[in-house]
Amino acid sequence: RKEVEQDPGPFNVPEGATVAFNCTYSNSASQSFFWYRQDCRKEPKLLMSVYSSGNEDGRFTAQLNRASQYISLLIRDSKLSDSATYLCVVNGGSGNTGKLIFGQGTTLQVKP
Amino acid sequence: DVKVTQSSRYLVKRTGEKVFLECVQDMDHENMFWYRQDPGLGLRLIYFSYDVKMKEKGDIPEGYSVSREKKERFSLILESASTNQTSMYLCASRQTGGGDEQYFGPGTRLTVT
Repeated sequence: RKEVEQDPGPFNVPEGATVAFNCTYSNSASQSFFWYRQDCRKEPKLLMSVYSSGNEDGRFTAQLNRASQYISLLIRDSKLSDSATYLCVVNGGSGNTGKLIFGQGTTLQVKP
Repeated sequence: DVKVTQSSRYLVKRTGEKVFLECVQDMDHENMFWYRQDPGLGLRLIYFSYDVKMKEKGDIPEGYSVSREKKERFSLILESASTNQTSMYLCASRQTGGGDEQYFGPGTRLTVT
């Protein structure tokens, strides 16, 4: 079983749609959770951290369910510029090693 | 802004060659990481370094070594390149105690023929 699992997609949605991505992780000791965005042929960049209480940044909402070891990302009012691969990321869980475990990513294509 | 640079964007090498990939960060970060990224497999950690002259194996260290002689520079070495090491290589850095966010370089696409 992969440590971080995501549906690779692709998700093809029209502009203005709401789309949700899900992710599960296997290490119950993980303490930090993130969504990174990776554009085609570019490096990953932090989109947002994910907190237990849930957090929102503009059109983006992230949720964490520790009991189910489940993370989600909701994008409202999708824009063409949202087209990218979204990586679910959790920390290694043991001590402050800074190690991150990456999911393989979910590809989003927003169409006009 | 944190800046992480990698020595080459594209590299083509022959099987058996020794390959050096260089990574430099300008934010005085203690931690540095080397990943490779392959379709369907995501990012996999090769090696990481907590500080100068310190290194730890990641999940797929076989066929690779690293060097961290200066804080800002972390080198990945392919001792004898093989075709299965054709991949995108990404370097990242992180500040100890600054949260787990990692900052990535632009990547080096290595092709071994």
